[in-house]
Amino acid sequence: QKEVEQDPGPLSVPEGAIVSLNCTYSNSAFQYFMWYRQYSRKGPELLMYTYSSGNKEDGRFTAQVDKSSKYISLFIRDSQPSDSATYLCAMSAFNYGGSQGNLIFGKGTKLSVKP
Amino acid sequence: GAGVSQSPRYKVAKRGQDVALRCDPISGHVSLFWYQQALGQGPEFLTYFQNEAQLDKSGLPSDRFFAERPEGSVSTLKIQRTQQEDSAVYLCASSLAQRGAGNTIYFGEGSWLTVV
Repeated sequence: QKEVEQDPGPLSVPEGAIVSLNCTYSNSAFQYFMWYRQYSRKGPELLMYTYSSGNKEDGRFTAQVDKSSKYISLFIRDSQPSDSATYLCAMSAFNYGGSQGNLIFGKGTKLSVKP
Repeated sequence: GAGVSQSPRYKVAKRGQDVALRCDPISGHVSLFWYQQALGQGPEFLTYFQNEAQLDKSGLPSDRFFAERPEGSVSTLKIQRTQQEDSAVYLCASSLAQRGAGNTIYFGEGSWLTVV
C-alpha cells in the first residue's frame, strides 16, 4: 500500500458543479497537507495549504483535513472550464532536516469541467 | 527571479548519453528539491539541498544520478548513461526555510526528458 492514495479519475463534470476530490494516507506523522493544481505540461502550482486538522476556505476552494480518519478533501464550488487540470494532494511530516520533511504526493486526479 | 526556472524545458537524449538539467530557484530560498514525475504519476522525491549541502539523496534511483548546488543557489541534476526508464519530467522546487519547517514549496515547470 502506498503512503498516499488518490483516485486518478478521470473525473468529468458540467460547468457549475461542485467537485469533490480526496486522498487517504497511512502515515500518522503527516501534519502538513497541500493541494496542487497541475495544468498539462506545467509544474504543480500550490492551491491550498493546511496544517493539521480542520477546514480552510479560499474563494471557490475548500480544503478539509480529518487526521482521525487519515482523509483529506478538496471541494471546488461553481466549477469552471479553467479548473480543468490534474489535482495532486501532497503531505509531509514535521521533521527539521529529516527525510519525513519531504512532500509525498498522490497520483493526481484528472478533472475535466465541460462548458 | 519571480519563480523557479528550469532549463532545458525539453530534452531528447539517445540512450547512453549524459544529460544535465539546470534549476534556478527563487532568490533567497534556502531549500531546494528535485522530484521526478513519470507519466500519469505524482512527483517522487529525488534529493534535497539546504543551501549548498546535499542533506538527503535517498530518492536518487541509481548512482547514475548526481546533483549539486555548489554555491547554494543554482542546482544541476546530472544523469549519466541515460536509460529509457529515465524518461520523465524532472521538477525542481524551492522553499524559503528548512525542509520540514512547514514552509510552502514552489515548483518550476519541469524539464521533460525523453530517452530514445
